[in-house]
Amino acid sequence: SQKIEQNSEALNIQEGKTATLTCNYTNYSPAYLQWYRQDPGRGPVFLLLIRENEKEKRKERLKVTFDTTLKQSLFHITASQPADSATYLCALHTNAGKSTFGDGTTLTVKP
Amino acid sequence: EAGVAQSPRYKIIEKRQSVAFWCNPISGHATLYWYQQILGQGPKLLIQFQNNGVVDDSQLPKDRFSAERLKGVDSTLKIQPAKLEDSAVYLCASTGQGWVGELFFGEGSRLTVL
Repeated sequence: SQKIEQNSEALNIQEGKTATLTCNYTNYSPAYLQWYRQDPGRGPVFLLLIRENEKEKRKERLKVTFDTTLKQSLFHITASQPADSATYLCALHTNAGKSTFGDGTTLTVKP
Repeated sequence: EAGVAQSPRYKIIEKRQSVAFWCNPISGHATLYWYQQILGQGPKLLIQFQNNGVVDDSQLPKDRFSAERLKGVDSTLKIQPAKLEDSAVYLCASTGQGWVGELFFGEGSRLTVL
């Protein structure tokens, strides 16, 4: 069956360090993958999109990689700040137009 | 540009009662989604509209949930009768790029069923 797994429910890191979040999937052939940020009591906010034929995308302090062989995406936040504390969701989208979200990883950046 | 509007933000009902949620997507966005997000989980797609037509409602519990988007703009999601397990946040999202592109989410409607 299709499955999306995001690494451990919670990730705690020190300010200034790089946070790395993982998104693994099985039995999908995604056309593209997105990462969203969700703060408590708010709707998800789009961060980055990466297509199946792209290896890496960057946006300011954010970087996402996509390895269709390993069936994995990595999401990096460099020089992390307490304001980066939130839940991060990955979402897979197929060519058929279906989108599926993972359960998210809650990141806490400590000053 | 105004974002996706949802109401009400919070609703508390007793089981077996009915409830309706409203969503107004970003102007011009043809595709509208309703997601259910249970605490600690990611959003789960309930239904997807393209204009006023249903694209995907395979995960909508049709015995109790219904949704419509009559004029291809705003949409209503109804639950009747509600069960305890329907307690969740109901998120509406829209996109103007068909199936490719970022989803713009509203703030959600939090439902508590007692």
